[in-house]
Amino acid sequence: NAGVTQTPKFRVLKTGQSMTLLCAQDMNHEYMYWYRQDPGMGLRLIHYSVGEGTTAKGEVPDGYNVSRLKKQNFLLGLESAAPSQTSVYFCASCHRGMYNEQFFGPGTRLTVL
Amino acid sequence: EDKVVQSPLSLVVHEGDTVTLNCSYEVTNFRSLLWYKQEKKAPTFLFMLTSSGIEKKSGRLSSILDKKELFSILNITATQTGDSAVYLCAGPLYGGATNKLIFGTGTLLAVQP
Repeated sequence: NAGVTQTPKFRVLKTGQSMTLLCAQDMNHEYMYWYRQDPGMGLRLIHYSVGEGTTAKGEVPDGYNVSRLKKQNFLLGLESAAPSQTSVYFCASCHRGMYNEQFFGPGTRLTVL
Repeated sequence: EDKVVQSPLSLVVHEGDTVTLNCSYEVTNFRSLLWYKQEKKAPTFLFMLTSSGIEKKSGRLSSILDKKELFSILNITATQTGDSAVYLCAGPLYGGATNKLIFGTGTLLAVQP
C-alpha cells in the first residue's frame, strides 16, 4: 500500500499563475483533508471532504478550491497564486468516525514568487 | 475559540535525557487528543487519548491526559538522536463528527549526541 501520496513534491509559481495539487489514498478512507503548514503557525485546515462529491471549508479556505470526484482523490486548486500562499501543503485522510487518526501524505513545497 | 497550545516551543537535550512536552487545549465538546511526530515531512501518528488518567505507552514514549485541567503531556525517556523532530498535539474541532483537527504549533526537540 502506498498510503497517502501527493504530487508534485515541489513547485515554483509566479504570482497569478494557477495550479492543482493532487492527493491520492489507497486505504479506502471516507474523509480527506488539505492543510498548510507555515513556520510558527502549525498545521491549518484549508478544506476537507467527508465523501465523494462533497467538500467544505476549513479555517483558511480563501484563495483555494477543492474537488473530490473520486473517493480516492482530493484535488486542491490555486486559481491565481499569491506570495502569501507560499507554504508546505499536506493532505491527510482517515476512516469515517470520531476516533480515527489521520494519515498524512509527504507534502508539497510551494513557492510563489 | 478552540485552541491548542504547546510548550516549550523548542528544546535541546543530550542523548539519554528524559523530556516532557506539554499540550493544553480548549476544544468545544472535547472527545480526544492526538500526538504526532514530524521529521522533516509527513506527521506520523503516535497516540490518541480519550480518557483521563490512563497512560498510553509505546516503547520509550508515553502520554497521559488530564481532562479536568485540559492538559496532556508526552514523555520520552532515554532520548536518542532519532527522537529529534517536531511533536504536534491536536484536538478534533466541533466535537469531531467530521474529524477535523486543530493543531498546536508544535515543540521542536533536538537531541544531541
